[in-house]
Amino acid sequence: DIQMTQSPSTLSASVGDTVTITCRASHYISKWLAWYQQKPGKAPELLISDASSETNGAPSRFSGSGGGTVFTLTISGLQPGDFATYYCQQYNSFPITFGQGTRLDIK
Amino acid sequence: EVQLLESGGGLVQPGGSLRLSCSASGFNFGSYAMGWVRQAPGKGLEWVSTINPSGDRTYNPDSVKGRFTISRDNSENTLFLQMNTLRGEDTAIYYCGRVLAATVGWLDTWGQGTLVIVSS
Repeated sequence: DIQMTQSPSTLSASVGDTVTITCRASHYISKWLAWYQQKPGKAPELLISDASSETNGAPSRFSGSGGGTVFTLTISGLQPGDFATYYCQQYNSFPITFGQGTRLDIK
Repeated sequence: EVQLLESGGGLVQPGGSLRLSCSASGFNFGSYAMGWVRQAPGKGLEWVSTINPSGDRTYNPDSVKGRFTISRDNSENTLFLQMNTLRGEDTAIYYCGRVLAATVGWLDTWGQGTLVIVSS
Protein backbone atom coordinates (compact mmCIF):
# COMPACT_ATOMS: atom_id res chain seq x y z
CA ASP A 1 0.00 0.00 0.00
CA ILE A 2 1.13 3.57 -0.65
CA GLN A 3 1.43 5.57 2.56
CA MET A 4 0.72 9.30 2.42
CA THR A 5 2.32 11.52 5.06
CA GLN A 6 1.35 15.15 5.51
CA SER A 7 3.33 17.81 7.31
CA PRO A 8 2.77 19.65 9.46
CA SER A 9 -0.16 18.03 11.26
CA THR A 10 -1.22 21.41 12.62
CA LEU A 11 -0.42 24.85 11.30
CA SER A 12 -1.20 28.21 12.88
CA ALA A 13 -1.36 31.26 10.66
CA SER A 14 -3.00 34.67 10.30
CA VAL A 15 -5.35 36.14 7.73
CA GLY A 16 -3.27 37.31 4.78
CA ASP A 17 -0.43 34.84 5.35
CA THR A 18 0.82 32.40 2.74
CA VAL A 19 1.13 28.81 3.93
CA THR A 20 2.38 25.55 2.46
CA ILE A 21 1.37 22.01 3.31
CA THR A 22 3.52 19.08 2.19
CA CYS A 23 2.38 15.57 1.28
CA ARG A 24 4.88 12.74 0.79
CA ALA A 25 4.11 9.40 -0.83
CA SER A 26 5.93 6.23 0.19
CA HIS A 27 6.16 5.19 -3.48
CA TYR A 28 6.27 6.99 -6.80
CA ILE A 29 2.77 8.17 -7.81
CA SER A 30 3.56 10.43 -10.80
CA LYS A 31 1.02 13.29 -10.69
CA TRP A 32 -1.89 11.25 -9.36
CA LEU A 33 -2.68 13.32 -6.30
CA ALA A 34 -5.67 15.33 -5.12
CA TRP A 35 -6.14 17.89 -2.33
CA TYR A 36 -9.35 18.40 -0.35
CA GLN A 37 -10.55 20.95 2.17
CA GLN A 38 -12.86 19.93 5.01
CA LYS A 39 -14.60 22.30 7.39
CA PRO A 40 -16.05 21.10 10.70
CA GLY A 41 -19.29 19.16 10.28
CA LYS A 42 -19.06 19.27 6.48
CA ALA A 43 -18.05 16.89 3.71
CA PRO A 44 -14.65 17.33 2.09
CA GLU A 45 -14.46 19.50 -1.03
CA LEU A 46 -12.06 19.00 -3.91
CA LEU A 47 -9.47 21.72 -4.45
CA ILE A 48 -6.79 20.24 -6.71
CA SER A 49 -6.45 17.14 -8.90
CA ASP A 50 -3.54 15.75 -10.92
CA ALA A 51 -1.24 17.47 -8.40
CA SER A 52 -1.67 20.96 -9.84
CA SER A 53 -5.00 21.25 -11.70
CA GLU A 54 -7.32 23.60 -9.88
CA THR A 55 -10.93 22.54 -9.79
CA ASN A 56 -13.67 24.82 -11.10
CA GLY A 57 -14.94 26.91 -8.26
CA ALA A 58 -11.84 26.68 -6.10
CA PRO A 59 -10.34 30.12 -5.41
CA SER A 60 -7.16 30.92 -7.31
CA ARG A 61 -5.24 31.42 -4.06
CA PHE A 62 -5.06 27.61 -3.79
CA SER A 63 -2.27 26.08 -5.85
CA GLY A 64 -0.69 22.65 -6.00
CA SER A 65 2.71 21.53 -7.19
CA GLY A 66 5.06 18.59 -7.16
CA GLY A 67 5.25 15.12 -8.61
CA GLY A 68 6.74 11.72 -7.99
CA THR A 69 6.73 11.45 -4.20
CA VAL A 70 6.63 15.04 -2.90
CA PHE A 71 3.71 17.42 -3.33
CA THR A 72 2.71 20.77 -1.89
CA LEU A 73 -0.48 22.77 -1.44
CA THR A 74 0.04 26.51 -1.13
CA ILE A 75 -2.60 28.96 0.04
CA SER A 76 -1.67 32.54 -0.84
CA GLY A 77 -3.29 35.27 1.20
CA LEU A 78 -5.30 33.31 3.76
CA GLN A 79 -8.96 34.24 4.10
CA PRO A 80 -11.11 33.54 7.18
CA GLY A 81 -12.90 30.70 5.41
CA ASP A 82 -9.64 28.88 4.71
CA PHE A 83 -9.16 27.77 8.30
CA ALA A 84 -10.03 24.11 7.94
CA THR A 85 -8.43 20.68 7.63
CA TYR A 86 -6.69 19.69 4.41
CA TYR A 87 -6.15 16.17 3.07
CA CYS A 88 -4.10 14.78 0.22
CA GLN A 89 -5.15 11.59 -1.58
CA GLN A 90 -3.24 9.38 -3.99
CA TYR A 91 -5.02 7.67 -6.86
CA ASN A 92 -2.05 6.06 -8.54
CA SER A 93 -3.27 2.63 -7.48
CA PHE A 94 -5.62 0.76 -5.19
CA PRO A 95 -5.96 0.89 -2.27
CA ILE A 96 -6.63 4.60 -2.49
CA THR A 97 -5.00 6.29 0.51
CA PHE A 98 -5.28 9.65 2.20
CA GLY A 99 -2.84 11.66 4.25
CA GLN A 100 -3.67 12.03 7.93
CA GLY A 101 -4.73 15.64 7.46
CA THR A 102 -3.35 19.09 8.27
CA ARG A 103 -5.41 21.34 10.49
CA LEU A 104 -5.00 25.02 9.72
CA ASP A 105 -5.81 27.20 12.74
CA ILE A 106 -6.06 30.92 13.21
CA LYS A 107 -3.07 32.29 15.11
CA GLU B 1 -26.55 20.88 -10.13
CA VAL B 2 -24.69 17.69 -9.25
CA GLN B 3 -26.02 16.30 -5.98
CA LEU B 4 -25.50 13.18 -3.88
CA LEU B 5 -27.68 12.29 -0.92
CA GLU B 6 -26.85 9.42 1.42
CA SER B 7 -29.30 7.60 3.64
CA GLY B 8 -29.56 4.42 5.69
CA GLY B 9 -27.20 5.16 8.56
CA GLY B 10 -28.07 4.47 12.16
CA LEU B 11 -27.27 2.47 15.27
CA VAL B 12 -26.51 -1.22 14.80
CA GLN B 13 -25.16 -3.89 17.12
CA PRO B 14 -21.77 -5.49 16.56
CA GLY B 15 -22.11 -8.33 14.09
CA GLY B 16 -25.15 -6.73 12.51
CA SER B 17 -25.81 -5.45 9.00
CA LEU B 18 -26.78 -2.17 7.41
CA ARG B 19 -27.38 -1.00 3.84
CA LEU B 20 -26.50 2.52 2.85
CA SER B 21 -27.93 4.26 -0.21
CA CYS B 22 -26.72 7.24 -2.18
CA SER B 23 -29.17 8.94 -4.52
CA ALA B 24 -27.57 10.89 -7.38
CA SER B 25 -28.97 13.72 -9.48
CA GLY B 26 -27.79 16.37 -11.92
CA PHE B 27 -25.46 14.19 -13.99
CA ASN B 28 -25.40 11.03 -16.12
CA PHE B 29 -24.96 8.60 -13.21
CA GLY B 30 -24.26 5.55 -15.36
CA SER B 31 -21.20 7.21 -16.94
CA TYR B 32 -19.23 7.62 -13.72
CA ALA B 33 -17.44 5.41 -11.26
CA MET B 34 -18.65 5.95 -7.73
CA GLY B 35 -17.14 5.40 -4.32
CA TRP B 36 -17.56 5.40 -0.56
CA VAL B 37 -15.22 7.07 1.92
CA ARG B 38 -15.64 7.03 5.69
CA GLN B 39 -14.47 9.15 8.59
CA ALA B 40 -14.40 7.87 12.14
CA PRO B 41 -15.22 10.45 14.84
CA GLY B 42 -12.37 12.94 15.10
CA LYS B 43 -10.25 11.00 12.60
CA GLY B 44 -9.13 11.27 9.00
CA LEU B 45 -10.57 9.97 5.75
CA GLU B 46 -10.51 6.30 4.78
CA TRP B 47 -11.43 4.91 1.36
CA VAL B 48 -14.01 2.12 1.63
CA SER B 49 -15.07 1.03 -1.85
CA THR B 50 -15.22 1.91 -5.55
CA ILE B 51 -17.41 0.60 -8.37
CA ASN B 52 -16.93 1.16 -12.09
CA PRO B 53 -19.65 2.79 -14.23
CA SER B 54 -21.23 -0.45 -15.42
CA GLY B 55 -21.11 -2.05 -11.98
CA ASP B 56 -19.17 -5.15 -12.96
CA ARG B 57 -15.94 -4.23 -11.18
CA THR B 58 -15.55 -3.35 -7.53
CA TYR B 59 -12.58 -2.53 -5.32
CA ASN B 60 -12.24 -2.62 -1.55
CA PRO B 61 -9.40 -2.26 0.96
CA ASP B 62 -8.52 -5.23 3.15
CA SER B 63 -10.21 -3.59 6.15
CA VAL B 64 -13.67 -4.22 4.68
CA LYS B 65 -13.06 -6.92 2.08
CA GLY B 66 -15.48 -9.81 2.50
CA ARG B 67 -17.78 -7.74 4.74
CA PHE B 68 -18.78 -4.73 2.61
CA THR B 69 -20.26 -4.91 -0.88
CA ILE B 70 -20.73 -1.93 -3.17
CA SER B 71 -23.36 -2.04 -5.92
CA ARG B 72 -25.36 0.31 -8.08
CA ASP B 73 -28.65 0.61 -9.92
CA ASN B 74 -28.04 2.84 -12.93
CA SER B 75 -31.75 2.83 -13.81
CA GLU B 76 -32.51 4.40 -10.42
CA ASN B 77 -29.35 6.57 -10.18
CA THR B 78 -28.55 4.98 -6.85
CA LEU B 79 -25.38 3.65 -5.24
CA PHE B 80 -25.44 1.15 -2.39
CA LEU B 81 -23.12 -0.14 0.31
CA GLN B 82 -24.12 -3.38 2.00
CA MET B 83 -22.25 -3.68 5.28
CA ASN B 84 -22.21 -7.02 7.09
CA THR B 85 -20.50 -8.33 10.22
CA LEU B 86 -20.12 -4.77 11.49
CA ARG B 87 -17.51 -3.95 14.12
CA GLY B 88 -17.01 -1.05 16.50
CA GLU B 89 -14.22 0.29 14.29
CA ASP B 90 -16.72 0.67 11.44
CA THR B 91 -18.37 3.52 13.37
CA ALA B 92 -18.02 6.55 11.11
CA ILE B 93 -19.67 9.04 8.82
CA TYR B 94 -19.97 7.40 5.40
CA TYR B 95 -19.72 9.66 2.36
CA CYS B 96 -20.52 8.69 -1.18
CA GLY B 97 -18.66 10.43 -3.97
CA ARG B 98 -18.46 10.71 -7.74
CA VAL B 99 -15.14 9.41 -9.05
CA LEU B 100 -13.43 11.20 -11.92
CA ALA B 101 -11.65 8.31 -13.58
CA ALA B 102 -12.61 4.87 -14.87
CA THR B 103 -12.01 3.35 -11.46
CA VAL B 104 -9.13 4.67 -9.37
CA GLY B 105 -9.45 8.44 -9.25
CA TRP B 106 -10.41 11.43 -7.19
CA LEU B 107 -13.83 12.46 -5.89
CA ASP B 108 -15.07 15.72 -7.33
CA THR B 109 -18.46 15.67 -5.60
CA TRP B 110 -19.34 14.36 -2.14
CA GLY B 111 -22.62 13.78 -0.36
CA GLN B 112 -23.31 15.21 3.09
CA GLY B 113 -22.65 11.86 4.75
CA THR B 114 -24.63 9.42 6.86
CA LEU B 115 -23.59 8.35 10.35
CA VAL B 116 -23.18 4.69 11.24
CA ILE B 117 -22.75 3.76 14.90
CA VAL B 118 -21.83 0.19 15.78
CA SER B 119 -22.47 -0.37 19.46
CA SER B 120 -24.31 -2.67 21.83
